[in-house]
Amino acid sequence: GDSVTQMEGPVTLSEEAFLTINCTYTATGYPSLFWYVQYPGEGLQLLLKATKADDKGSNKGFEATYRKETTSFHLEKGSVQVSDSAVYFCALSGGSSNTGKLIFGQGTTLQVKP
Amino acid sequence: GAGVSQSPSNKVTEKGKDVELRCDPISGHTALYWYRQSLGQGLEFLIYFQGNSAPDKSGLPSDRFSAERTGGSVSTLTIQRTQQEDSAVYLCASSLEFRTHEQFFGPGTRLTVL
Repeated sequence: GDSVTQMEGPVTLSEEAFLTINCTYTATGYPSLFWYVQYPGEGLQLLLKATKADDKGSNKGFEATYRKETTSFHLEKGSVQVSDSAVYFCALSGGSSNTGKLIFGQGTTLQVKP
Repeated sequence: GAGVSQSPSNKVTEKGKDVELRCDPISGHTALYWYRQSLGQGLEFLIYFQGNSAPDKSGLPSDRFSAERTGGSVSTLTIQRTQQEDSAVYLCASSLEFRTHEQFFGPGTRLTVL
């Protein structure tokens, strides 16, 4: 079945450091790919998405490019802030299932220190 | 506008009791999803509704779990004869319709089974 694998955390960075969180997927068909973020004490929020190969999703300085050849959707940010501390989830939908259900990776905790 | 709401926010129950968890989706959203977030299993899909019907129940972990949706709006997830392994945060999400693939999540219900 479809699956998502993301790098294990926690990831600890200093403010203004470069961030990469790796995400790879296995899916049949042509899934859409997502990054969701969960800030402390809050619900899941969509951060960015890409719906086809070579699309780049971006939001709040974060970017991720849908790479079909490497089945990857790595999250990057050039300069992280303390306020970016959160749990980040990579997810896909629309692979083998046509119901729109999301299949999530395990989540990566990011802690940014001042 | 109002987002997805869930109640109760916290529920503590004794093993063997039944519990009901409620989800109010965003008005006008036809698709509704239930997920479970637990330490050991991460974020798992449980069930999907399109309108009042549930074409995908593949994620329900056992026949103790059931869900319904009425009037194309409110949904209730029921867990009968709760077990300790049911302890988790239960998340509800809605989307305008399932093909848009963009889901908006509620704050969740934290269930603790003693």
